[in-house]
Amino acid sequence: DAKTTQPTSMDCAEGRAANLPCNHSTISGNEYVYWYRQIHSQGPQYIIHGLKNNETNEMASLIITEDRKSSTLILPHATLRDTAVYYCIVRVANAGKSTFGDGTTLTVKP
Amino acid sequence: KAGVTQTPRYLIKTRGQQVTLSCSPISGHRSVSWYQQTPGQGLQFLFEYFSETQRNKGNFPGRFSGRQFSNSRSEMNVSTLELGDSALYLCASSFIGQGTDTQYFGPGTRLTVL
Repeated sequence: DAKTTQPTSMDCAEGRAANLPCNHSTISGNEYVYWYRQIHSQGPQYIIHGLKNNETNEMASLIITEDRKSSTLILPHATLRDTAVYYCIVRVANAGKSTFGDGTTLTVKP
Repeated sequence: KAGVTQTPRYLIKTRGQQVTLSCSPISGHRSVSWYQQTPGQGLQFLFEYFSETQRNKGNFPGRFSGRQFSNSRSEMNVSTLELGDSALYLCASSFIGQGTDTQYFGPGTRLTVL
């Protein structure tokens, strides 16, 4: 699986958009970008994934650059409950395993 | 659909003992993966089972083993426990098929080795 690079930590004001970047410059053509988050001591929660196109669901939006070497997860209106560690993962389909990095600790402040 | 369930949620063992953890996947999911999470090493992949066969294996000693049953439920076993095995053990299930497989994680089992 391709390696990802994320900032160690970020802050965001409550109600504002949180934009979390991820670099995956060695991504292969058949690898998907996945985002998870983990609130302290709970299991990681799936947020969103994409291959080439931008994606949006009820939780977030995923913007993938045209060259697919980086992506941004957008939480449109961050709340205090969005404080968590966010993981960006790159993996092939149906691989059955994910390689997690250190993620980004997002702190949403009132 | 019910999510991934793991039992027990908390466990305390002593060095040298063995432990068995259980994972029930989301209905219809035939792939179950196991991960270990520690403060020092982060989330690390242990192994993955699909249709009762181990498909992938991480870099862990043979003391860590697993199996999957015909109903896709999975167990992992750790023998001869060491202090360093204290961790949050997570399992994730996914549906293997067309497109990509999204892994959904359970709440984890917190293992403490004394």
